[in-house]
Amino acid sequence: DSGVTQTPKHLITATGQRVTLRCSPRSGDLSVYWYQQSLDQGLQFLIQYYNGEERAKGNILERFSAQQFPDLHSELNLSSLELGDSALYFCASSVQAMNTEAFFGQGTRLTVV
Amino acid sequence: DQQVKQNSPSLSVQEGRISILNCDYTNSMFDYFLWYKKYPAEGPTFLISISSIKDKNEDGRFTVFLNKSAKHLSLHIVPSQPGDSAVYFCAASPSSGTYKYIFGTGTRLKVLA
Repeated sequence: DSGVTQTPKHLITATGQRVTLRCSPRSGDLSVYWYQQSLDQGLQFLIQYYNGEERAKGNILERFSAQQFPDLHSELNLSSLELGDSALYFCASSVQAMNTEAFFGQGTRLTVV
Repeated sequence: DQQVKQNSPSLSVQEGRISILNCDYTNSMFDYFLWYKKYPAEGPTFLISISSIKDKNEDGRFTVFLNKSAKHLSLHIVPSQPGDSAVYFCAASPSSGTYKYIFGTGTRLKVLA
């Protein structure tokens, strides 16, 4: 158990809908990262927050947004969903923003039908 | 533009022998490197990391080597065990600018009993 909690574990929704994925980081970790893994491909970096502020942005679609709340949990919002958005979404957390290991949650498997 | 590359998608090794997984990177700003292991339907698990000020880091059966001039790192697993069968990802992070982990596409290791 990494200490990073992601909910829900599985999500099935229709095209055009909007979903919210939730992540609770390890106790004491200030940095949260979101990654997308499609069809056994690599992990694509989406976005990073550190202590409530956005720190880095990757190839995140405009239909996707995220935020980190004062209690440090984070949410990834995916809207106007398309079939191609079906993927595993991972959240990771680390105690600081750099030069340290990140710990991953179990992921949320999103299926868009 | 794949900044972190794992050119071998798969590797098979006999139990008890050495497994060597390779990773190349292109961005000279990367100075912190990590290896993760991933089982199907689970989040990546942190294995070992190395800072650019070192050329070797060891943790039990796992050793990571870094060759900065060649922009190459490798993970050695000795001796390999069937439980090591998984997908291994290398990741890199810069210490300045935008702080994020860039992952390779992974190498699937199969340890044969």
